[in-house]
Amino acid sequence: DVKVTQSSRYLVKRTGEKVFLECVQDMDHENMFWYRQDPGLGLRLIYFSYDVKMKEKGDIPEGYSVSREKKERFSLILESASTNQTSMYLCASSLYPTATTPHNEQFFGPGTRLTVL
Amino acid sequence: AQTVTQSQPEMSVQEAETVTLSCTYDTSESDYYLFWYKQPPSRQMILVIRQEAYKQQNATENRFSVNFQKAAKSFSLKISDSQLGDAAMYFCAYRDSNYQLIWGAGTKLIIKP
Repeated sequence: DVKVTQSSRYLVKRTGEKVFLECVQDMDHENMFWYRQDPGLGLRLIYFSYDVKMKEKGDIPEGYSVSREKKERFSLILESASTNQTSMYLCASSLYPTATTPHNEQFFGPGTRLTVL
Repeated sequence: AQTVTQSQPEMSVQEAETVTLSCTYDTSESDYYLFWYKQPPSRQMILVIRQEAYKQQNATENRFSVNFQKAAKSFSLKISDSQLGDAAMYFCAYRDSNYQLIWGAGTKLIIKP
């Protein structure tokens, strides 16, 4: 089974702090994603990565950055946390679409509920 | 740009009965994938069912089936014989040509014992 793990389930930080959210997957997936989930808004893509050291902005990248130094690990960084970044953060991974797996299902971690005070 | 709309923020159903969750989407593409994901309380998001747009036949997975109406851009999820373990947030998602998922706002499903 694919396993996607996130470093913390719950995190409380102060405004202005630098915050690191870590995500690790164990199935050699090329693609990794960071979403934030807010009630009534569904999931919104922050950043994604198709390969090591590669990153692409999603729909809401402002205030965030990412790092992918190894294939299995994708980190989300809040350079200076603000109260409007209080949210649930979900990491996901998937294979790159191929002829045998064209649908590239995304597998999710348990999420990190971040509160910024 | 593609959009996904789930018009029911919350639905409830009696245990053992059938419930249908609605999803509509907007796209100009002809080939794409649609997904229903389930997020149980405090648990990980998991895939329930997927549909390839070029396939006429509606996808089924045990008690879960979809009603895919391509011309109407509708993709509803039917859950038969509802069980307490079906209680969750259900999200409809569309995969665009860049392989990214575009998500609906979600429907909270409550199962009444």
